[in-house]
Amino acid sequence: DVKVTQSSRYLVKRTGEKVFLECVQDMDHENMFWYRQDPGLGLRLIYFSYDVKMKEKGDIPEGYSVSREKKERFSLILESASTNQTSMYLCASSGERNQPQHFGDGTRLSIL
Amino acid sequence: EDQVTQSPEALRLQEGESSSLNCSYTVSGLRGLFWYRQDPGKGPEFLFTLYSAGEEKEKERLKATLTKKESFLHITAPKPEDSATYLCAVQGSYIPTFGRGTSLIVHP
Repeated sequence: DVKVTQSSRYLVKRTGEKVFLECVQDMDHENMFWYRQDPGLGLRLIYFSYDVKMKEKGDIPEGYSVSREKKERFSLILESASTNQTSMYLCASSGERNQPQHFGDGTRLSIL
Repeated sequence: EDQVTQSPEALRLQEGESSSLNCSYTVSGLRGLFWYRQDPGKGPEFLFTLYSAGEEKEKERLKATLTKKESFLHITAPKPEDSATYLCAVQGSYIPTFGRGTSLIVHP
């Protein structure tokens, strides 16, 4: 089975801090994604990557950056955390373009 | 632009009361339609992939069907443990497009 592991289930940070969310997948998938999920808004794509060191902006990249130095690892960075970035963050990976995504269990991030 | 609309937003059923969830979509060149189940506080869990109109997939009490414009997730004789949010996504362009989901509650 595909396993996508997110480093933290719950995280509390302060406004202005630099925050790192880590995601690791074990299926040698090319594609990796970061979403945030808020009540009533569904899944919104922040960034995705289709190869090592490659990244593409999603629908809401402002205030975020990403890093993919190794194929199995995709990191989301909040450069200067703000309260409106309090959310559930979900990482996913996929293989071929017509294959489903596999999700981690999410990180519930609170910015105080 | 690919679009996915799921209905209803919320559905309450009694245990054993069968029903269907709808996923309407517009996509340029469908490469796959995916159904996921999401439990509170967890990530979506993959259920089915459908690739072409007329295709059907089944798993326990769930059956997914596909036409050129919509997909249905039929739930037969649901149990309380089927309570979850069900998400539909389409893969046309490189990035999958998700619907906002249907929240299903099954009462014992």
